[in-house]
Amino acid sequence: DTAVSQTPKYLVTQMGNDKSIKCEQNLGHDTMYWYKQDSKKFLKIMFSYNNKELIINETVPNRFSPKSPDKAHLNLHINSLELGDSAVYFCASSRTSGTNNEQFFGPGTRLTVL
Amino acid sequence: GENVEQHPSTLSVQEGDSAVIKCTYSDSASNYFPWYKQELGKRPQLIIDIRSNVGEKKDQRIAVTLNKTAKHFSLHITETQPEDSAVYFCAASGSYQLTFGKGTKLSVIP
Repeated sequence: DTAVSQTPKYLVTQMGNDKSIKCEQNLGHDTMYWYKQDSKKFLKIMFSYNNKELIINETVPNRFSPKSPDKAHLNLHINSLELGDSAVYFCASSRTSGTNNEQFFGPGTRLTVL
Repeated sequence: GENVEQHPSTLSVQEGDSAVIKCTYSDSASNYFPWYKQELGKRPQLIIDIRSNVGEKKDQRIAVTLNKTAKHFSLHITETQPEDSAVYFCAASGSYQLTFGKGTKLSVIP
C-alpha cells in the first residue's frame, strides 16, 4: 500500500522537450513538496504546497511549474528541458505545513536529459 | 535562511564499531531536527528525529543529541552492521522548510 507514489520512475528525454512528473499521496497529508537531488546527492527543496496553495518557491527556473489539482496530488511540469535538469526528483508529503513533522518521500523519478 | 553543515562527508567503520555524524545549523528558531537514511537507489526515510525541548533521544542502536546553545546535533549509531551502509542526511526546520545537510556516506566494513 504505497504512501507516496511517483510516475514515471525513469524519464529519458531530449533537450528542449517538455515533460511532467506526477505525484500522489494517500496519507491524508495537506502539504506536499518537490525536491531535486543532484549527482552529488544534495537534496534541495524546490516547491511546497499546502492545501493546494504554493507556500515555498525556491530559486527555481520558471521552466518548472508545479500544479496541485487537489491535496493528494502535486505534479511537476518542466518546459524546455536542459542538460542540467538531469537529476532525481523526489516528491514528499507531511501532515501540516509546519516543518516539524515527518516528511514521507516518494520513490523518486530519475530524469536524464540527453 | 537556514544553513546546515554536516560532517564528515564520508565515514568508514568496521562492523561492530560506532559511527558519529555531526551537524550544525544557523537559525536559532529551528526546533525540529530529523535524520534520514537513504540506501542506494532508494528514497530518503526518517530514522529518528528530535525536537528542541529534548536533549537526547534513543531508538535501539540509534541515538541523537541536540545542543541548542551551540546549535549542533549529532547522530550516533552503535554496533554498526553492514545494512547500516547508506547516505545519512541531517535536517533542520527553518521558518518554512526543512533544510538538509549535504549527507554522509557511511560504509560499514564486514
